[in-house]
Amino acid sequence: GDSVTQTEGLVTVTEGLPVKLNCTYQTTYLTIAFFWYVQYLNEAPQVLLKSSTDNKRTEHQGFHATLHKSSSSFHLQKSSAQLSDSALYYCALMDSNYQLIWGSGTKLIIKP
Amino acid sequence: NAGVIQTPRHKVTGKGQEATLWCEPISGHSAVFWYRQTIVQGLEFLTYFRNQAPIDDSGMPKERFSAQMPNQSHSTLKIQSTQPQDSAVYLCASSLGDRGREQYFGPGTRLTVL
Repeated sequence: GDSVTQTEGLVTVTEGLPVKLNCTYQTTYLTIAFFWYVQYLNEAPQVLLKSSTDNKRTEHQGFHATLHKSSSSFHLQKSSAQLSDSALYYCALMDSNYQLIWGSGTKLIIKP
Repeated sequence: NAGVIQTPRHKVTGKGQEATLWCEPISGHSAVFWYRQTIVQGLEFLTYFRNQAPIDDSGMPKERFSAQMPNQSHSTLKIQSTQPQDSAVYLCASSLGDRGREQYFGPGTRLTVL
């Protein structure tokens, strides 16, 4: 079946430095949508980025991700971290039943 | 647009009692999802309705959990004989149901079983 892997459970970055959260996947389907969700403390997850196009960069709120089907990856990056970026980040893919297959999440802590 | 509404926001039950959680999806959304979130397990899929019909309940603990969607405006998650390990935040999400459409989450219900 489909699966999403987020290798880092916790990532700590100093404010102003770049951020990269890893996401790889396994899927049996050819046409898939991919998401990054962000969950701030005591809030519900909300969509941050979405993509279904291979090799196309998607950007929102300073974050960007590019779907690379050749390497089965959809890493999340930001060039300069802000304290307000501290949150839990989930990578997910949508299967043919419109269900999201979720990664285990990466907690991002931005320190001053 | 009020977003996904979940009630109650917090619920405390004693061990063995029943808990019913309510979800009102965004108007016009045809798909409703229930998840459970804990620090240890993270986000766990429970069940999914499309056009009120149950599509996938593979994440539901079979014995004490049940979910229904009697009409397009609300869904319920019922937990019978609650146990301390049921303590979690239960999240409801809705989507337009088309391929590639993101899910919009409600604020969640924090269930505490004493």
